[in-house]
Amino acid sequence: EAGVAQSPRYKIIEKRQSVAFWCNPISGHATLYWYQQILGQGPKLLIQFQNNGVVDDSQLPKDRFSAERLKGVDSTLKIQPAKLEDSAVYLCASSQDSGYEQYFGPGTRLTVT
Amino acid sequence: SQQGEEDPQALSIQEGENATMNCSYKTSINNLQWYRQNSGRGLVHLILIRSNEREKHSGRLRVTLDTSKKSSSLLITASRAADTASYFCATDPPGGDSNYQLIWGAGTKLIIKP
Repeated sequence: EAGVAQSPRYKIIEKRQSVAFWCNPISGHATLYWYQQILGQGPKLLIQFQNNGVVDDSQLPKDRFSAERLKGVDSTLKIQPAKLEDSAVYLCASSQDSGYEQYFGPGTRLTVT
Repeated sequence: SQQGEEDPQALSIQEGENATMNCSYKTSINNLQWYRQNSGRGLVHLILIRSNEREKHSGRLRVTLDTSKKSSSLLITASRAADTASYFCATDPPGGDSNYQLIWGAGTKLIIKP
C-alpha cells in the first residue's frame, strides 16, 4: 500500500514570500490532516478535512494560511506571506476516518529567512 | 493546547535494556495513541488503546492505560539501536461531534546506546 506523499521535501524562502505544499493521502482515506511541527515539540494540528469539508481549522492562522482538499483526495496548504516563525516541518497525515490511527507523510521542512 | 505530557523528556539506555515512558493527560479521552518519530521513517503509529482497555501489546511494545490517574505508559522490551527515536502520546478527547482532533505531547527522546 502506497503511503502518504508530500512535496516538496525542503523549501527555503524569504519572509513575505509565499509557498505551497502538496499532499496525496492514502487511497480511500476520508480524513486528511495538516500539522505544523516546530523543532523539539509535538505536532500541532492546523486543519482537518473530512472528505472535502473542513472539520477543524481552529488553529490555522487564517490571515496567512489557507488549505483546500480537491475532490476529497489531494490537498494543498499555502502560506502567504510567510513569517520567520513559520519555519517548521509541515506534516500531512490521513486516516481511514476520524478517530482512527493516522498515517504520516515524510513532511516538508520549511525555512523562512 | 497541549494535553499530553511525556515523562521523561529524554532517556538514554543500553541496548538490550527495557525502556519505559509515561504520558499524563488532563481531560477524559476516547483513546490514547503512541507514535514514534525518527529521521529515517518520520512519524509512525505504534499502538492505539481505547479508554475501556487497560493493557495492549504489539511485539516488543506494551502499553498500559489508567484512566483514573489519567496516565499511560509505553514499555519497550529488549531495546535495539533502531528504537532510537522520539516517542509521542496523543489523546483523542470525547467531543460529542465528528471532530476527533488528537492532542499531542512534546515527546520523550529515547537514545539506545550500543
